[in-house]
Formats: sequence, structure tokens, C-alpha cells
Amino acid sequence: AQSVTQLDSQVPVFEEAPVELRCNYSSSVSVYLFWYVQYPNQGLQLLLKYLSGSTLVKGINGFEAEFNKSQTSFHLRKPSVHISDTAEYFCAVTLKAAGNKLTFGGGTRVLVKP
Amino acid sequence: DADVTQTPRNRITKTGKRIMLECSQTKGHDRMYWYRQDPGLGLRLIYYSFDVKDINKGEISDGYSVSRQAQAKFSLSLESAIPNQTALYFCATSDPGVGAGTGELFFGEGSRLTVL
Repeated sequence: AQSVTQLDSQVPVFEEAPVELRCNYSSSVSVYLFWYVQYPNQGLQLLLKYLSGSTLVKGINGFEAEFNKSQTSFHLRKPSVHISDTAEYFCAVTLKAAGNKLTFGGGTRVLVKP
Repeated sequence: DADVTQTPRNRITKTGKRIMLECSQTKGHDRMYWYRQDPGLGLRLIYYSFDVKDINKGEISDGYSVSRQAQAKFSLSLESAIPNQTALYFCATSDPGVGAGTGELFFGEGSRLTVL
């Protein structure tokens, strides 16, 4: 079975500074990878996904992530954060044959300070 | 109006009570899911359904049951609630997309359940 580890439970960052959220997964077969964001008191929404092709994936709100197969990682980055990026971020993985049954990491809470 | 609607949004109940959380969607998706969210644990899959006649257990189905009343409706029941079922519950839908596993999940806003 696959698993997902998000290495940081909380990341404080100043406004306009860069941020990187780390995600590692374990799976012996090919996977699809996702990052979701949860704003306060809301459900989750998709930031970006990696299915195949280019290992650098661009998403909404200026976020991007890089798939590294040899390191089994899918780290999320943003070069300059805004106060509105304060949220919890979840990395998720699914096996290519699993039909959208995602396995989520524990989440990383990002607090952007002015 | 939200595409995926959950009711109730908040519920406080007592140990041993039966509770039902309901989910309805207007996205026309065949696939529906119930997840629970606990701090530090992320989201864990309780049950999922790929069509009206298909119900499958997820990784933490003990103590829960589901009913898929129609394509658009998927309810989660706790027959006898216990305090460690206190959590935030999410319903989600997906379209199969091009090949299995490529579609994103669309989430409701969550149902916060507290079991005293």
C-alpha cells in the first residue's frame, strides 16, 4: 500500500518570502500525485496534479511542484507568498489503477505573517 | 449553491446515539467518497462508491455504514457513536477522467461531528 509523509506539520513564513512544503511518498508502482489546499472552514480544493510528462507542474495561485521519482518526492513551492495563502496543504497519492482513491499526508499548516 | 452539499454542517451528539451525515451533489459524478479528517492524520477514506450499486470499504470503515440512495446522494451513518469518532467528515465526488485515477476530487465543506 502507498503512504505519504509531509515532513513539516507547520511552516511560518513572512509575506513575500518563498515557501517550500515537503512531501515524500512510498509506493512500489506508478502513482499520480496531488496537492490540495484547505482554507479555514472550507473543504479541500485542488492546487495541482502530476499525472505524467514534465516533472515540473504548475498550479493555481502561483504554486508549482516538482516530481522526483528517484527521491519519491513531490515538493510544493511558491516564490512569494501572500497573507491569503494561509491555509493547510495536503499532499496525496493514488495508484494509477486505484480509481481516485487518494491517500493523504498529514497536512502542513502554513501561516503567513505580515 | 455548492456543487457538493453536506448536512448537517455541525452536530453534537452523545455516546451511543445514531447519527447520519448526508451528502448530495449536482456535478453528475458517479463516484462518491466519505473521508474523515483528524489533526495531524490528514484525511482517511471511510467508504467509497463508484456507482449506485457499488459500495466499498475504505481504510477505516469499522463503526460506520453508508447508503447510496441515488447517483447524487451518499449518506454516512454511525450506528452507535463513540467519542473517538469526533472528527471533521468530508464527502467528495470525482469523474473517472481519462483512465482510472486521473480525476480530481471535489469536496463538500465538511460536517463537524462531536461525540460527547
